[in-house]
Amino acid sequence: DIVLTQSPGTLSLSPGERATLSCRASQSISNNYLVWYQQRPGQAPRLLIYGASSRATGIPDRFSGSGSGADFTLTISRLEAEDFAVYYCQQYGSSPETFGQGTKVEIK
Amino acid sequence: DVQLVESGGGLVQPGGSLRLSCAASGFSFSRYWMSWVRQAPGKGLEWVANIKPDGSETFYVDSLKGRFTISRDNAKNSLYLQMTSLRAEDTAVYYCARGVRIFGVVFFEYWGQGTRVSVSS
Repeated sequence: DIVLTQSPGTLSLSPGERATLSCRASQSISNNYLVWYQQRPGQAPRLLIYGASSRATGIPDRFSGSGSGADFTLTISRLEAEDFAVYYCQQYGSSPETFGQGTKVEIK
Repeated sequence: DVQLVESGGGLVQPGGSLRLSCAASGFSFSRYWMSWVRQAPGKGLEWVANIKPDGSETFYVDSLKGRFTISRDNAKNSLYLQMTSLRAEDTAVYYCARGVRIFGVVFFEYWGQGTRVSVSS
């Protein structure tokens, strides 16, 4: 199984700052089939990015994904109040589907 | 709008069974892969199972094979998860999700709000 390791575990930032989240895979992910989800407290996850860099429907352009192979990044250009949440990566390049353990973005 | 509404969660004793349901609306249910994903308290996400649009194929995480069964009724726009021989470690919020399947593996495009399952004596 592909293991996804997200870092840092927690990111403490202020509104308006830039957030950079990392997701590293234990092996290269086929076709960069990686997604990012956002989970706000008490809510279900929401798809942000698929195919490593394509924004899902309705996702603001302050969210961007990049990377390839085994190294991927989610960037939030300017944090807004509603962006403080937990973010998960998930790979769909090979079975079984696996998730990273999450990065919490908290208000500093 | 896509809506997924789970039900059927609750408190069950170890060794017991539970059947979760997910009512889908706002899209052509019979055209999509569907999935269950769970999240233990304070923990991350874990994929549980997928089912093909016509219900003819199912896939499970290895650790749950034989205890959980995913099924669907396209006439009722409903997804199910039959859980048996439940253990404390099955305690989690269970999410129903609409999947996008690429070369045999799925990511989750839309999620329900989840139903909570607690396994305890």
